[in-house]
Amino acid sequence: EDQVTQSPEALRLQEGESSSLNCSYTVSGLRGLFWYRQDPGKGPEFLFTLYSAGEEKEKERLKATLTKKESFLHITAPKPEDSATYLCAVQDWAGTYKYIFGTGTRLKVLA
Amino acid sequence: DGGITQSPKYLFRKEGQNVTLSCEQNLNHDAMYWYRQDPGQGLRLIYYSQIVNDFQKGDIAEGYSVSREKKESFPLTVTSAQKNPTAFYLCASIGQGVYSGANVLTFGAGSRLTVL
Repeated sequence: EDQVTQSPEALRLQEGESSSLNCSYTVSGLRGLFWYRQDPGKGPEFLFTLYSAGEEKEKERLKATLTKKESFLHITAPKPEDSATYLCAVQDWAGTYKYIFGTGTRLKVLA
Repeated sequence: DGGITQSPKYLFRKEGQNVTLSCEQNLNHDAMYWYRQDPGQGLRLIYYSQIVNDFQKGDIAEGYSVSREKKESFPLTVTSAQKNPTAFYLCASIGQGVYSGANVLTFGAGSRLTVL
């Protein structure tokens, strides 16, 4: 059964303190892995799609990487405005329209 | 600008009442989804629709109903049969990714339903 596990559940960082969020996944055939940012009371905002092991994507202070079993979202020198919940999701080739979401990591960056 | 509009943003329901959440998109997307989000849980799929006049149950469809009469619209009705409807509801649609493989879900801003 497809499964996505995110860790840690919550993370507090000082401004400028770099760290990584983890997304472990189990799928029969990975079609794509997605990272979203969600602010309180709002819908998720798309960040990255990763397709194959070894792939990396960057956007400002965020960098996403992918292996055959997990993905990392690296946050370099975070700012308070990076505070949000970060969601990971996978799409399996077997279930064309089905997405499996993790429970998210709540990130708080302190000034 | 293209996007997904959900309304209302906040909704209160008395027990025994049916309520309908609206979802409209102007992205020309074929597939649309409804998810439910509860604290500490991942997004759970309620219903999805790949084309007009067709829809499929997701993992937690009991107590919910949908229709897809127009490509742009995918309303969700929360019926009195849904025993624990208080949650944040998200509508989404599929856009095409850069490659032909994976499809990026685009989300609306959400609707928060509270049962009084």
